Amino acid sequence: AQSVTQLDSQVPVFEEAPVELRCNYSSSVSVYLFWYVQYPNQGLQLLLKYLSGSTLVKGINGFEAEFNKSQTSFHLRKPSVHISDTAEYFCAVSDISGGSNYKLTFGKGTLLTVNP
Amino acid sequence: SQTIHQWPATLVQPVGSPLSLECTVEGTSNPNLYWYRQAAGRGLQLLFYSVGIGQISSEVPQNLSASRPQDRQFILSSKKLLLSDSGFYLCAWSGGGNSPLHFGNGTRLTVT
Repeated sequence: AQSVTQLDSQVPVFEEAPVELRCNYSSSVSVYLFWYVQYPNQGLQLLLKYLSGSTLVKGINGFEAEFNKSQTSFHLRKPSVHISDTAEYFCAVSDISGGSNYKLTFGKGTLLTVNP
Repeated sequence: SQTIHQWPATLVQPVGSPLSLECTVEGTSNPNLYWYRQAAGRGLQLLFYSVGIGQISSEVPQNLSASRPQDRQFILSSKKLLLSDSGFYLCAWSGGGNSPLHFGNGTRLTVT
């Protein structure tokens, strides 16, 4: 079984500042990794995913994440945030052996608040 | 393109009343379907998933049940709601393998 830890429940930043949202996972097998964003009272939208290959993954809205296997981390970064990036961000993991019974384990989320 | 519809958007129900939330997917066939519940500060909890018509797997014992009467239809039900059933319910689908989940807009359920 796998688990996901998002180290910060809330991250306040000022507009145009850089941000990093931290995610660590534990799993006994190789994994797929995902970041999702949720705006208030909406469903989750996929930001980016790591399946294999390059450990630096670029996603939508200028976000990127780096897979670090030795540190079992998948931190999300953006060099300059906007007010519109205010939302809750979820890290998720799925083990590669999942096959068609594909299930994600989610972290508890990080609320990013961008202040003017 | 694929779309997922979930309704209603909000629902207020008294304790002991029945529940039926519906989710449908368009533009794909034989999707994996999922019901999640989201409580504040607790992330997303997988309730049920289905890999085919009539095939339902339950992740946690609870007051809820799920059914998949058609390939692209997934229903979450309860015979008698409890206060603890309040929450934000999300339906999702995926194409299987390593494809990501695609979520509906959720239903905010308040049990009074």
